Amino acid sequence: KQEVTQIPAALSVPEGENLVLNCSFTDSAIYNLQWFRQDPGKGLTSLLLIQSSQREQTSGRLNASLDKSSGRSTLYIAASQPGDSATYLCAGGTGGFKTIFGAGTRLFVKA
Amino acid sequence: NAGVTQTPKFQVLKTGQSMTLQCAQDMNHNSMYWYRQDPGMGLRLIYYSASEGTTDKGEVPNGYNVSRLNKREFSLRLESAAPSQTSVYFCASSELDLGEQFFGPGTRLTVL
Repeated sequence: KQEVTQIPAALSVPEGENLVLNCSFTDSAIYNLQWFRQDPGKGLTSLLLIQSSQREQTSGRLNASLDKSSGRSTLYIAASQPGDSATYLCAGGTGGFKTIFGAGTRLFVKA
Repeated sequence: NAGVTQTPKFQVLKTGQSMTLQCAQDMNHNSMYWYRQDPGMGLRLIYYSASEGTTDKGEVPNGYNVSRLNKREFSLRLESAAPSQTSVYFCASSELDLGEQFFGPGTRLTVL
């Protein structure tokens, strides 16, 4: 059964630091990997989607990579800001309209 | 362009009561989904609709029913609410299978 794990569960960094959030999955049979941001009491906002044929995607200060052979994806945030404070979720698409979500990493960026 | 909208935002039910959660999208997407999110757990798929006129069970369908009313709207019904259904419910849509998913703001449901 496919499982998606995000470590650490929580992370606190000073403003301006570059950081990496990790996502691992147990089965290489995923067809895409999507990163989301969730603010408290809100819905999920899509950040980046990587298809299985791609290795990375970039949007502004965000860069996401996907390595199916090692079962890992990372989300790199450059020059973090207090406004980046949120929970970040990764989700692997397994086909057949099924997506497996990680429990998230709660990020706090200190001013 | 509102994206994905959900009503209501909050709801409190007593055990055994019924209710319907509404979802609509204006992105002309083919596929729609209902998820629940519980503390410390990832989102879990309740039901999905691959296209207008079709619905299928997800990981946790027991106690729920769905209706794909048209291409825009996908509703989730709790026939007899139970405390275990206390959760935050999210509707999402995508153009196709494995497409980027877009989420609504959620419905926070408490069953007493």
